[in-house]
Amino acid sequence: DARVTQTPRDKVTEMGQEVTMRCQPILGHNTVFWYRQTMMQGLELLAYFRNRAPLDDSGMPKDRFSAEMPDATLATLKIQPSEPRDSAVYFCASGLVRGDSYNSYNEQFFGPGTRLTVL
Amino acid sequence: DQQVKQNSPSLSVQEGRISILNCDYTNSMFDYFLWYKKYPAEGPTFLISISSIKDKNEDGRFTVFLNKSAKHLSLHIVPSQPGDSAVYFCAASASNNQGGKLIFGQGTELSVKP
Repeated sequence: DARVTQTPRDKVTEMGQEVTMRCQPILGHNTVFWYRQTMMQGLELLAYFRNRAPLDDSGMPKDRFSAEMPDATLATLKIQPSEPRDSAVYFCASGLVRGDSYNSYNEQFFGPGTRLTVL
Repeated sequence: DQQVKQNSPSLSVQEGRISILNCDYTNSMFDYFLWYKKYPAEGPTFLISISSIKDKNEDGRFTVFLNKSAKHLSLHIVPSQPGDSAVYFCAASASNNQGGKLIFGQGTELSVKP
């Protein structure tokens, strides 16, 4: 039963601390997405990677957020320093995107999320 | 700039009745639309999709309607069941985007009462 895993599931930290969230995409998927869920914005796309290369990180606050894929089995999202307004649920999703095929658009499989609380 | 909008944060429906969830979009380049369902403490899961070449797609109790001229889509659930209680997200994409990028709405929380 292939699924996206995320760690930690819950994180409480104090303002100014560094936070690292990890994601293991489904084996064989070539695209990894990071989203943030907030009440006001819903699901916001922060960044995404294709074959480990960053495609778009325009949704991410550049000064404090960074996203990387050290290898095909691990994606990380780091916040340094964290602020109370970063409190949200962060989702990782992976998919097998085949160019312009419409079939590619429904192949995003989400992890269970990391609930981040910054005090 | 919210390109995909779900203006109803919540909806309550009686079991057995129809649930209608609405979604509006502003970007005329969007040509593929999806609905995702999310239970508490879980990630969203894909429910149903529609291409802009169609105006209706049906899958069991779930039907999605697309009105391109109005830039509006809706999800109909008939009959509604208590297990359908969840947050529903509408998402859109453009085929000129090679990355499979989706733009999501804010979500609508559906509550189906027995």
